[in-house]
Amino acid sequence: AQKVTQAQTEISVVEKEDVTLDCVYETRDTTYYLFWYKQPPSGELVFLIRRNSFDEQNEISGRYSWNFQKSTSSFNFTITASQVVDSAVYFCALSEGETSGSRLTFGEGTQLTVNP
Amino acid sequence: SQTIHQWPATLVQPVGSPLSLECTVEGTSNPNLYWYRQAAGRGLQLLFYSVGIGQISSEVPQNLSASRPQDRQFILSSKKLLLSDSGFYLCAWSVWGSSYNEQFFGPGTRLTVL
Repeated sequence: AQKVTQAQTEISVVEKEDVTLDCVYETRDTTYYLFWYKQPPSGELVFLIRRNSFDEQNEISGRYSWNFQKSTSSFNFTITASQVVDSAVYFCALSEGETSGSRLTFGEGTQLTVNP
Repeated sequence: SQTIHQWPATLVQPVGSPLSLECTVEGTSNPNLYWYRQAAGRGLQLLFYSVGIGQISSEVPQNLSASRPQDRQFILSSKKLLLSDSGFYLCAWSVWGSSYNEQFFGPGTRLTVL
């Protein structure tokens, strides 16, 4: 069975600090996909990134970067120079296999608060 | 572009009353559709998913049901609400036939059962 663990329940930082959100996953499949979603106070989940199990290249998008390491089954998310608008709950998720309609398994989320 | 709608946005219902939440997707055909519930904590619980009209898979036993009467319409229902049904209900869609399975979420319905 697949599992996603986000050990950090809450993180509080001051604006402009860098912050890393941890995600550790468990799966038996060799083909799988990892995701990060952002849930601002409005409630809607916003898709941030997808990564497949065959691509371990790190990715950078503006102030966001993702570090995928299969050796440690981790897919960590770093926000550089955090801003107040980054305050949200962030979810890591895992999808196994190649079947359309496969379920996403979500972690419990990390509440990030960025203080001015 | 694709958009997903949910209504109502908020709902307050007494225990024992019926429920109907609606979700519609625009701009795509034959999407996979999902219903999630997010309780007072932060975790998302998958309730139902559908890969086609009339095809519903249930993830957890409960007093809720789902139906897909049209290709891009997904309905969550209950005949009698329980206090424990309170929560934030999210509908999501993904591209049929894609193995990537990234899901795109609607704005959600906040349900309070009193």
